Amino acid sequence: KQEVTQIPAALSVPEGENLVLNCSFTDSAIYNLQWFRQDPGKGLTSLLLIQSSQREQTSGRLNASLDKSSGRSTLYIAASQPGDSATYLCAVKQGAQKLVFGQGTRLTINP
Amino acid sequence: DAGVIQSPRHEVTEMGQEVTLRCKPISGHDYLFWYRQTMMRGLELLIYFNNNVPIDDSGMPEDRFSAKMPNASFSTLKIQPSEPRDSAVYFCASASGGTNTGELFFGEGSRLTVL
Repeated sequence: KQEVTQIPAALSVPEGENLVLNCSFTDSAIYNLQWFRQDPGKGLTSLLLIQSSQREQTSGRLNASLDKSSGRSTLYIAASQPGDSATYLCAVKQGAQKLVFGQGTRLTINP
Repeated sequence: DAGVIQSPRHEVTEMGQEVTLRCKPISGHDYLFWYRQTMMRGLELLIYFNNNVPIDDSGMPEDRFSAKMPNASFSTLKIQPSEPRDSAVYFCASASGGTNTGELFFGEGSRLTVL
């Protein structure tokens, strides 16, 4: 059974810092991995999608990497801003169209 | 496109009442998913549809839960009778075909409180 773990559960950093969020998964047989952002009381917003054949994807200040063999992904946020404060979730897609989610990392950027 | 639209955004009801949650997927998307989010269990897939047909409902907790998709632009999730442990945020999401590689788009969620 696929398990997705995100560590740490919460992270607080000062504005302007570069930071890395971690996601690990137990079964490397995945189709893709997706990073989401969730603001309090809101739905999930897709940030980046990495196909199993890809190593990384970039969007603006965000860069996500994927290492299938080791079962790891990282989300790198450059020059963090208070508006980046949110919960970040990673999810892996396996067969039968199912996404398995991690529990998320709650990120706080302090001005 | 307006994105995935869910209603109601908030629902407070008493134990034993019927609850109906609604979802309009993104136009052209042929996959629709219902998820439930709680603090204890995180996000759980309840059921998903492809071309309006239920494909996997193994995540539906019990017979009190049912979901339908009468057409490509509308789906409902019904709980009857509701119980306090059903309190959660219910999300609808949609994706385009070839969804082994496709991106998933979520609605804003319906926050259900059962007293």
